[in-house]
Amino acid sequence: NAGVTQTPKFQVLKTGQSMTLQCAQDMNHNSMYWYRQDPGMGLRLIYYSASEGTTDKGEVPNGYNVSRLNKREFSLRLESAAPSQTSVYFCASSERRTEAFGSGTRLTVV
Amino acid sequence: GENVEQHPSTLSVQEGDSAVIKCTYSDSASNYFPWYKQELGKGPQLIIDIRSNVGEKKDQRIAVTLNKTAKHFSLHITETQPEDSAVYFCAASIRDGATNKLIFGTGTLLAVQP
Repeated sequence: NAGVTQTPKFQVLKTGQSMTLQCAQDMNHNSMYWYRQDPGMGLRLIYYSASEGTTDKGEVPNGYNVSRLNKREFSLRLESAAPSQTSVYFCASSERRTEAFGSGTRLTVV
Repeated sequence: GENVEQHPSTLSVQEGDSAVIKCTYSDSASNYFPWYKQELGKGPQLIIDIRSNVGEKKDQRIAVTLNKTAKHFSLHITETQPEDSAVYFCAASIRDGATNKLIFGTGTLLAVQP
């Protein structure tokens, strides 16, 4: 039982490149979330998915897209990376209210 | 929308002392308040939570109190140990359609000095 698994753990991108962050959970949770964490700003919600087949914008969705591939997997895509997207990204899943987090992806855009 | 403020941003205590972190929230409809501990290089982990029908909850050295009238809640750690050193986040849960969303505070870096 791995919980929430994120890949990759680290990534460096050049401005304008695209990439997809992967997230999978094995807890059979309905809801999944993507956050970014920046110094002094806590965790901010980018997108979430209440259930398979649905996605909704969070607090800071600009520059990102998501796909809820199935109940287990929720991916985050950066179509054209910008230096402002340098951050640590966390995926989480929940059933009812308690959210379980992955270990994060540290992304640097140069 | 919901806004969560957390204080202090940094807290240094001596081993064995108590530590208190305070949060306020703005939306009176929020009714679930978890606390997360984040160690360096790891994701946040839930350490304790409280629902709005309860005023206090305790789990060994950790306790959380909630004052719904004043819209604030606090984390109390007693007999602190060096392994308690981490960043702590409070959050408030709001209902959004078919799911719940968490709004996080900005975090408190707790350093326990041996």
